[in-house]
Amino acid sequence: ELKVEQNPLFLSMQEGKNYTIYCNYSTTSDRLYWYRQDPGKSLESLFVLLSNGAVKQEGRLMASLDTKARLSTLHITAAVHDLSATYFCAVDSMDSNYQLIWGAGTKLIIKP
Amino acid sequence: GAGVSQSPRYKVAKRGQDVALRCDPISGHVSLFWYQQALGQGPEFLTYFQNEAQLDKSGLPSDRFFAERPEGSVSTLKIQRTQQEDSAVYLCASSLKPMNTEAFFGQGTRLTVV
Repeated sequence: ELKVEQNPLFLSMQEGKNYTIYCNYSTTSDRLYWYRQDPGKSLESLFVLLSNGAVKQEGRLMASLDTKARLSTLHITAAVHDLSATYFCAVDSMDSNYQLIWGAGTKLIIKP
Repeated sequence: GAGVSQSPRYKVAKRGQDVALRCDPISGHVSLFWYQQALGQGPEFLTYFQNEAQLDKSGLPSDRFFAERPEGSVSTLKIQRTQQEDSAVYLCASSLKPMNTEAFFGQGTRLTVV
């Protein structure tokens, strides 16, 4: 059974600091996704990672994928208040009939 | 519209009542997904349509849940005889191509069963 675990589930940090959110998954995955969700809003796609060693960056966010370790990281550089949101990772694979299996989310609060 | 639209945004139902939740995907999108998101949790897959064909309904939690997309565009998720454990946000997503790449989500319908 494909399982996805995020760590930490809750993170409070100061503006200007760096931090990393971790996403572990249990079996071989075809694709790994990072989404952002603001309270009461849609899920917004941030990154899709397709292969080992993939790295994608958008502004202060950078995502990477290590398929051998079954680990993806979402790194936040010099955090700013408007990055406060809940961040989800999700994976799909043949094991899940190619449907997305989601982590529980990391609620990120960035204090000004 | 420009995005995925869901209605109603909020629904309060008495236990035992039937409800219908609507999803208008982005025009031309082939794939449509329904997810259930409990408070403080990640979404959980319910069902998947490719055009009008329901290709995967393995996530529907019971036979009280039924989804359709008769003309390959608008979809309806129906829950019969609602129970308190059905309280959640129901999310709809659509994508241009089959399966998950570049899926766009609606804002969801928050269902509260009292």
